[in-house]
Amino acid sequence: GAVVSQHPSRVICKSGTSVKIECRSLDFQATTMFWYRQFPKQSLMLMATSNEGSKATYEQGVEKDKFLINHASLTLSTLTVTSAHPEDSSFYICSAIPWDYGTDTQYFGPGTRLTVL
Amino acid sequence: KQEVTQIPAALSVPEGENLVLNCSFTDSAIYNLQWFRQDPGKGLTSLLLIQSSQREQTSGRLNASLDKSSGRSTLYIAASQPGDSATYLCAVYGNQFYFGTGTSLTVIP
Repeated sequence: GAVVSQHPSRVICKSGTSVKIECRSLDFQATTMFWYRQFPKQSLMLMATSNEGSKATYEQGVEKDKFLINHASLTLSTLTVTSAHPEDSSFYICSAIPWDYGTDTQYFGPGTRLTVL
Repeated sequence: KQEVTQIPAALSVPEGENLVLNCSFTDSAIYNLQWFRQDPGKGLTSLLLIQSSQREQTSGRLNASLDKSSGRSTLYIAASQPGDSATYLCAVYGNQFYFGTGTSLTVIP
């Protein structure tokens, strides 16, 4: 149990386009999901906290207008990278918390590799 | 702000060796510490979770210790196997996860 999926696993896009990444909890409901970003040889950094039915909370330094997060249901959160640029190329990982668990119990997705040309 | 450091950044050992990975953190006000495994281009697999009140946890060939007062944790892998090759991340949890930069382990057959 407690499986989190991400789609797509890899995406290559041209500079200036928008890319949507989906994060789904397959066998549990998640009122809270998190989005992380990992640059090569660097640690995962929390980008934002996504709460079902409300606005996402962004970490300092993360542009909310560039990284749009929608958590429309208890099993799906989407991250849209708008007007992507090469510096947005990174590995994006989401995690989800079962609705009755604490935030220290996060189940991680397999990640999405974004390459912006 | 919490900072998590892992040493060494990379490690290459022959199969069968026992090895130790180190993790240090600057703020001891944590709820727990987790060790994760990350395979290339993949997400994270949780290996061991140590609550702040615990000193160690064991799972199979893995043993993790925690010394919260000194801000240190170690992950001990016994009798390493080629399948253990991966990047190992430690993460401390306070109000959010803070991850280290990882140790890239290669076990040579």
